Amino acid sequence: SAVISQKPSRDICQRGTSLTIQCQVDSQVTMMFWYRQQPGQSLTLIATANQGSEATYESGFVIDKFPISRPNLTFSTLTVSNMSPEDSSIYLCSVRFMSSYEQYFGPGTRLTVT
Amino acid sequence: TQLLEQSPQFLSIQEGENLTVYCNSSSVFSSLQWYRQEPGEGPVLLVTVVTGGEVKKLKRLTFQFGDARKDSSLHITAAQPGDTGLYLCAGGRSGGSNYKLTFGKGTLLTVNP
Repeated sequence: SAVISQKPSRDICQRGTSLTIQCQVDSQVTMMFWYRQQPGQSLTLIATANQGSEATYESGFVIDKFPISRPNLTFSTLTVSNMSPEDSSIYLCSVRFMSSYEQYFGPGTRLTVT
Repeated sequence: TQLLEQSPQFLSIQEGENLTVYCNSSSVFSSLQWYRQEPGEGPVLLVTVVTGGEVKKLKRLTFQFGDARKDSSLHITAAQPGDTGLYLCAGGRSGGSNYKLTFGKGTLLTVNP
């Protein structure tokens, strides 16, 4: 398993600003992912964070809006840019080891945009 | 689009009752995972099943993967208030770096004392 921490745990932001969320894992993992969970909804995959290269985005998500970095095997950031109230959501970091099906989640960052 | 249908969407029961949550799809999955999520927390992995027909038990929770690997069920015996939470199933397809999870919409379980 893996222990995952996220910062911040929650934030309230103004429309038009940007927020960077950090994800730190206690072990070197192969795969890191970012998900969004809107109120009362299930999880939607935003992108796969690739070490040392550009993230792989899912349909409906673009790099300009959600730039992602992954400088090493234990750390990643997700930025939510030019925020609007529709971006209010829980953002979750998730990790998986290549040889395993198990996928683990961080505690999430609860974002409210006013 | 791979869809995972979970039922029921909401379930409110009394402590001591039994319940079953279903997760169904028309697609075949390499694996299926069940998570429980409590308010303000991230999903916590409960179990992973990979073989058709597989049954796994975790204390009062019994998980089953369908023979065709298209569906799964979670049965809770003698539910307790601590079982309250959002139960999510997630199916995985492909392998290696292309492996991705598709999540169901979840079952919100409330166990009343």
